[in-house]
Amino acid sequence: ETGVTQSPTHLIKTRGQQVTLRCSSQSGHNTVSWYQQALGQGPQFIFQYYREEENGRGNFPPRFSGLQFPNYSSELNVNALELDDSALYLCASSPGRQGGSPLHFGNGTRLTVT
Amino acid sequence: QKEVEQNSGPLSVPEGAIASLNCTYSDRGSQSFFWYRQYSGKSPELIMSIYSNGDKEDGRFTAQLNKASQYVSLLIRDSQPSDSATYLCAVTSSGGSNYKLTFGKGTLLTVNP
Repeated sequence: ETGVTQSPTHLIKTRGQQVTLRCSSQSGHNTVSWYQQALGQGPQFIFQYYREEENGRGNFPPRFSGLQFPNYSSELNVNALELDDSALYLCASSPGRQGGSPLHFGNGTRLTVT
Repeated sequence: QKEVEQNSGPLSVPEGAIASLNCTYSDRGSQSFFWYRQYSGKSPELIMSIYSNGDKEDGRFTAQLNKASQYVSLLIRDSQPSDSATYLCAVTSSGGSNYKLTFGKGTLLTVNP
């Protein structure tokens, strides 16, 4: 059984550009959650997708958007990149949208915006 | 704004000592509590979960929860240099938002040989 995988591992973009990050969920999991972790901070919830629909969203602007595919993999898209978007982006999958179960994160994507 | 507060650290302990990490949370309705360990440059790794008041032990780790005081802690016995990492406390939101975790900023632990 494979865990959550994320790609790419590292990414460098210029301010104003757009970026797409990818996440493959663990087998049997239909829910994906995305978190942003800035340097020296704890992860912050961006949004969750359940069966291809957004199930909840944190305090992030609309330029942060996502998709979930029929195989439950997911993408995080960020438009009009800002310097403050530089962070570690974490993805976790779970077997349902109800909370309470532990989340296991992928290895993350380190995004640097210059 | 639901908050999770942790010792600012850094916390430094000698090898073999007990490391004590503390966390308070503001959402009285929270039901699930987690401790994650994060090595520098890596993603957080779940090490403990606790759901009811009292202690939960797993090897050298003990999590303690007191919902009345809105307090959760992690004890690491016989600390090893490999335990040196940032420890993140995470709490689920209450009610219909219980799918999301709120994290503290983390406490950096250094175990000195």
